[in-house]
Amino acid sequence: EPEVTQTPSHQVTQMGQEVILRCVPISNHLYFYWYRQILGQKVEFLVSFYNNEISEKSEIFDDQFSVERPDGSNFTLKIRSTKLEDSAMYFCASRTDGNEQFFGPGTRLTVL
Amino acid sequence: GENVEQHPSTLSVQEGDSAVIKCTYSDSASNYFPWYKQELGKRPQLIIDIRSNVGEKKDQRIAVTLNKTAKHFSLHITETQPEDSAVYFCAASMARDDKIIFGKGTRLHILP
Repeated sequence: EPEVTQTPSHQVTQMGQEVILRCVPISNHLYFYWYRQILGQKVEFLVSFYNNEISEKSEIFDDQFSVERPDGSNFTLKIRSTKLEDSAMYFCASRTDGNEQFFGPGTRLTVL
Repeated sequence: GENVEQHPSTLSVQEGDSAVIKCTYSDSASNYFPWYKQELGKRPQLIIDIRSNVGEKKDQRIAVTLNKTAKHFSLHITETQPEDSAVYFCAASMARDDKIIFGKGTRLHILP
């Protein structure tokens, strides 16, 4: 069964550094999402992406965040200058038209 | 925007007993209500969902009920087993293909 994959599984970075989190959605999916989960808290929507542009973004998704689909398979989340409070698990999700979202295994980001 | 409240935050039940988790939502335009199970360090996994045109849905030991008038929905797990121990999240969405707004989660402990 096809799955969403994410790399790396764990990223440690220094405050102020840029990080790129990578996702490979399921191959025939057209809609892509990033969610964030701070340890012990709920999953929060960050951004949705369709047809090579952002469909919707939350208040969390400020100018420090960007998303890109650089090729036909990858979907990336970039944080330009990480803060301590960016430490969280980041989940990518994807779906086909009208169907449920499938979540990736997550990338744990630790900002020191 | 949509807000989802979930209770209780922690629930302990004896193995074999039933567990009930309750949620409320704020936006009457929400019409899709998924439930996710999340084990420690893993991705959220969809276990059951319900649309607003249905009042109840059952899948083996799991059932969900929805009261659109009161904006309440609930998860019922019967004959609980040790493997049911996890964090459960209720969620709401304007459509199955829209961003998902999660509740804060319920940590379910199944006691031997």
